[in-house]
Amino acid sequence: EVQLSESGGGLVQPGGSLRLSCAASGFTFSSYAMSWVRQAPGKGLEWVSAISGSGGDTYYADSVRGRFTISRDNSKNTLYLQMNTLRAEDTAVYYCAQDRGRSALYYFDYWGQGTLVTVSS
Amino acid sequence: EIVLTQSPATLSLSLGERATLSCRASQSVTSYLAWYQQKPGQAPRLLISDASNRAPGIPARFSGSGSGTDFTLIISSLEPEDFAVYYCQQRSNWPPLTFGGGTKVEIK
Repeated sequence: EVQLSESGGGLVQPGGSLRLSCAASGFTFSSYAMSWVRQAPGKGLEWVSAISGSGGDTYYADSVRGRFTISRDNSKNTLYLQMNTLRAEDTAVYYCAQDRGRSALYYFDYWGQGTLVTVSS
Repeated sequence: EIVLTQSPATLSLSLGERATLSCRASQSVTSYLAWYQQKPGQAPRLLISDASNRAPGIPARFSGSGSGTDFTLIISSLEPEDFAVYYCQQRSNWPPLTFGGGTKVEIK
């Protein structure tokens, strides 16, 4: 059974940093691209970033490029999102999601339960 | 960036009724479109991929159609568990992957 479990969310001041983690199990982690998708309170879904199965290719939404860094440790079956220079508009539930592709981006077959990031003073 | 516009924003229907949800793309996405269902407090769940392919375990009352710029998700007869928010997502031109704004299906 595929399981994705996010952690690392919390309250942070504007300009601060946070690192999210997503522990994966139940599948061959290195065989799948992974993404972070966020959802601001009461709003829709926004794709944030993705990384290929090997970790060699990364992609970002314009809204986070230069501030967020996605990475993965395939030996630990864990996905990360380093978030720097956080803004109030980054406040959201952050989901990790398994893509069905290894290198290209497709659709999200599995999602974690999400972790809430709140950026506020 | 491909913009996906979903309509209506809210659909008020009764149990057993047919729901028709629309997703329009700002440019052709061929058939590279998915539909997700999200219930309050839960993560989204994949329903349909490549416009018309039901994901494993998804009931047959859910069907998707369309190509190019116009897509439809139909729920043939609403069950209590179908009242939720539905999102479309394209993978034709990325990055970025983009989602529509969502359609809420509520009980009338």
